[in-house]
Amino acid sequence: DIQMTQSPSSVSGSVGDRVTITCRASQGISSWLAWYQQKPGKAPKLLIYGAFSLQSGVPSRFSGSGSGTDFTLTISSLQPEDFATYYCQQTNSFPPPLTFGGGTKVEIK
Amino acid sequence: EVQLLESGGGLVQPGGSLRLSCAASGFTFSSYAMSWVRQAPGKGLEWVSTISASADSTYYADSVKGRFTISRDNSKNTLYLQMNSLGAEDTAVYYCAKDLSEIVARGYFDHWGQGTLVTVSS
Repeated sequence: DIQMTQSPSSVSGSVGDRVTITCRASQGISSWLAWYQQKPGKAPKLLIYGAFSLQSGVPSRFSGSGSGTDFTLTISSLQPEDFATYYCQQTNSFPPPLTFGGGTKVEIK
Repeated sequence: EVQLLESGGGLVQPGGSLRLSCAASGFTFSSYAMSWVRQAPGKGLEWVSTISASADSTYYADSVKGRFTISRDNSKNTLYLQMNSLGAEDTAVYYCAKDLSEIVARGYFDHWGQGTLVTVSS
């Protein structure tokens, strides 16, 4: 199975900061990558798919980039509602198995 | 508005069985692949199973293969997960999730239910 490794596991920031999260695949996955945001006690929310396509309704301060094995999620100006855990997910191997990264918690500094 | 509502979770003894349901509304259920994703307490997300829109293909994580069965009833707009031979490692919140793409699934989940907690304990 394709393994997804996220870094860092946690990052702290202040409102207005630029935050970047990285995700590395154990083998090339082209652009078959999604990013999700999850707040405590809530279901995940799709932010980005196809590595860089913004899901409908998601603020433009979120952006994704990368292809092959290395990907990034960038929050250009951190807002109070962005403090959450973020997960990457590869879908290159679809039909499944699908795999998620371990998550990155964005905390308030 | 797309809505996914899971039910059927609860406390079950090791070795027991449980059947989860996910009632869907707000979209053409029969046109989308559906999946189950779980999250153990304090842990990350784990894909569990996917079923194609027409139910002719099913897929499972190795960790549940042979014990779990995914199914759907397109006439009732409902997704199911039959879970047998449950162990402590299956304790998690189980989410049903809708594929982003109609007909040709790609494994991106654009809508999720609120989750149902399954606890396996004696």
